[in-house]
Amino acid sequence: KQEVTQIPAALSVPEGENLVLNCSFTDSAIYNLQWFRQDPGKGLTSLLLIQSSQREQTSGRLNASLDKSSGRSTLYIAASQPGDSATYLCAPGASDDYKLSFGAGTTVTVRA
Amino acid sequence: GAGVSQSPRYKVAKRGQDVALRCDPISGHVSLFWYQQALGQGPEFLTYFQNEAQLDKSGLPSDRFFAERPEGSVSTLKIQRTQQEDSAVYLCASSLEAGSSYNEQFFGPGTRLTVL
Repeated sequence: KQEVTQIPAALSVPEGENLVLNCSFTDSAIYNLQWFRQDPGKGLTSLLLIQSSQREQTSGRLNASLDKSSGRSTLYIAASQPGDSATYLCAPGASDDYKLSFGAGTTVTVRA
Repeated sequence: GAGVSQSPRYKVAKRGQDVALRCDPISGHVSLFWYQQALGQGPEFLTYFQNEAQLDKSGLPSDRFFAERPEGSVSTLKIQRTQQEDSAVYLCASSLEAGSSYNEQFFGPGTRLTVL
């Protein structure tokens, strides 16, 4: 069973700082890994999907890296803004399964 | 087109009541998933449909939970005789093709169930 760990569990930074969110997973046999954002009381918004053959994926201020062999992914958010405050979840997609396994998330607060 | 929609968005039930949660997936999506998210945790898989066939219900926590997708589009998750531990956000997701995590899953806004 895939186990996913996200560190730190919570993070509070002043506006403008760069954010580094870590995700580790136990089973490296994955097709891809998705990063999601979840606002309080809301569903999941997909931010980035990085394929197992890729080492990184970028979208605007967001950059996700993937080291499949070591079971790690990192989400970088540059020049954070108060609107980035949310919980960020990672979900590796196993190559022999269709369901996603999620970490508990990192809750980010960006202070104005 | 529209994304995945779920209704109701919020549901309060008294312990012992039955509830039904609805999911409208993206039109044409073959795969449909239900996940349960407890407070402060990541979503946990409940069940998977490929068209109208329920191929995996291994995550359903008890026989009080039942899901169906009779025409291969809209799905309903039913919880009978609700208990306080059923309080959670129930998320529905769909993907275009069948049977692989290779296919990106698109999530709905969820239904927050509170059992008093």
